[in-house]
Amino acid sequence: SQTIHQWPATLVQPVGSPLSLECTVEGTSNPNLYWYRQAAGRGLQLLFYSVGIGQISSEVPQNLSASRPQDRQFILSSKKLLLSDSGFYLCAWSKVFNEKLFFGSGTQLSVL
Amino acid sequence: AQKVTQAQTEISVVEKEDVTLDCVYETRDTTYYLFWYKQPPSGELVFLIRRNSFDEQNEISGRYSWNFQKSTSSFNFTITASQVVDSAVYFCALVTTGTASKLTFGTGTRLQVTL
Repeated sequence: SQTIHQWPATLVQPVGSPLSLECTVEGTSNPNLYWYRQAAGRGLQLLFYSVGIGQISSEVPQNLSASRPQDRQFILSSKKLLLSDSGFYLCAWSKVFNEKLFFGSGTQLSVL
Repeated sequence: AQKVTQAQTEISVVEKEDVTLDCVYETRDTTYYLFWYKQPPSGELVFLIRRNSFDEQNEISGRYSWNFQKSTSSFNFTITASQVVDSAVYFCALVTTGTASKLTFGTGTRLQVTL
């Protein structure tokens, strides 16, 4: 069966510090991968998606970046965090692009 | 442009009451899929159902049922005999097909079920 792992679960970082959130999928190959952010108002905002290794599409311009160094690994990064980067970050995967997403358990990021 | 509207921000019910969560969507595409996801307090979104635009049959799964009506562009979700474990944020989502596939989530409805 397929599983998705996302870590860390919680993270407190000072403004200006770097960020690296990691997500891995097991039990499937060539998944579509996504990073979403959920701000305090609950809405889900798509940040990045990837349909293959090295292929990253950005939905919202910001100081975040994403990389897919391996087929089932998706990393969300920042060189310098802003206060506005605080939120709940969710990684997800799907077999068919944009259909039936399976989500990770999320990372609660607090930038202070 | 496509849009998903969940007008109910929060709903509170007492256990065993029935509750309906509304979802209204907008799209110009004739082929699309609709979804419902549940986000319990743990944070992880859980897939509940997928419905394609050509299948207007209502679906029932245990205490859950979904009413898809293309005439009103709605895909409402009803929980019968609600339980405390149903407390969560519920998201409706729409995805269009093809190379320009776009997935859009509604803003969610927080359901609180109390004893």
